[in-house]
Amino acid sequence: QQQVKQSPQSLIVQKGGIPIINCAYENTAFDYFPWYQQFPGKGPALLIAIRPDVSEKKEGRFTISFNKSAKQFSLHIMDSQPGDSATYFCAGSYSGAGSYQLTFGKGTKLSVIP
Amino acid sequence: DAGITQSPRHKVTETGTPVTLRCHQTENHRYMYWYRQDPGHGLRLIHYSYGVKDTDKGEVSDGYSVSRSKTEDFLLTLESATSSQTSVYFCAISEYGGPNTEAFFGQGTRLTVV
Repeated sequence: QQQVKQSPQSLIVQKGGIPIINCAYENTAFDYFPWYQQFPGKGPALLIAIRPDVSEKKEGRFTISFNKSAKQFSLHIMDSQPGDSATYFCAGSYSGAGSYQLTFGKGTKLSVIP
Repeated sequence: DAGITQSPRHKVTETGTPVTLRCHQTENHRYMYWYRQDPGHGLRLIHYSYGVKDTDKGEVSDGYSVSRSKTEDFLLTLESATSSQTSVYFCAISEYGGPNTEAFFGQGTRLTVV
């Protein structure tokens, strides 16, 4: 059972473009929505995160938009650069027995071409 | 980079043999997690630990066991490896178990079961 649906699976944009990655969740118990960035051969690293009481969060060129009623959130990358080429994962976090647990989407492979 | 070391980084093993992967942290974080990453599936939680000798199952725990006898070490054992367990395994740590908690990932272990 996939609780976080992520699209598209892959995305190619030109340098300076604005790639948008979308996620939809089912579990209304989720209360924390992080995005992780992963480069080839490396582990994922936290990029930006949002709580459901906020509709938008910006950190540098990265923006999360959150729509609680639609149970959707998205990542926008402004002025994308070749160095942004990576796989991006959205996630939802909820309280399991003893710990908050992350449920990840399947990932989006982003390629930014010069 | 968070002080997380996974060993080995690469392993090839035969079907039916037991395999143990190690995660060692130097951050003294309470929470530790094992994920597997497969194309088209993203990251899926196998097991997690919320303290020494305190562990619980994740989404895909069948065929895996874990142990944590010290704060710094979290071991993942494949009791009898199968080809379906060929994957990249990531260890993650977090200081707190609540929301807004960043999870730090190791570099991963690529396991091939032949």
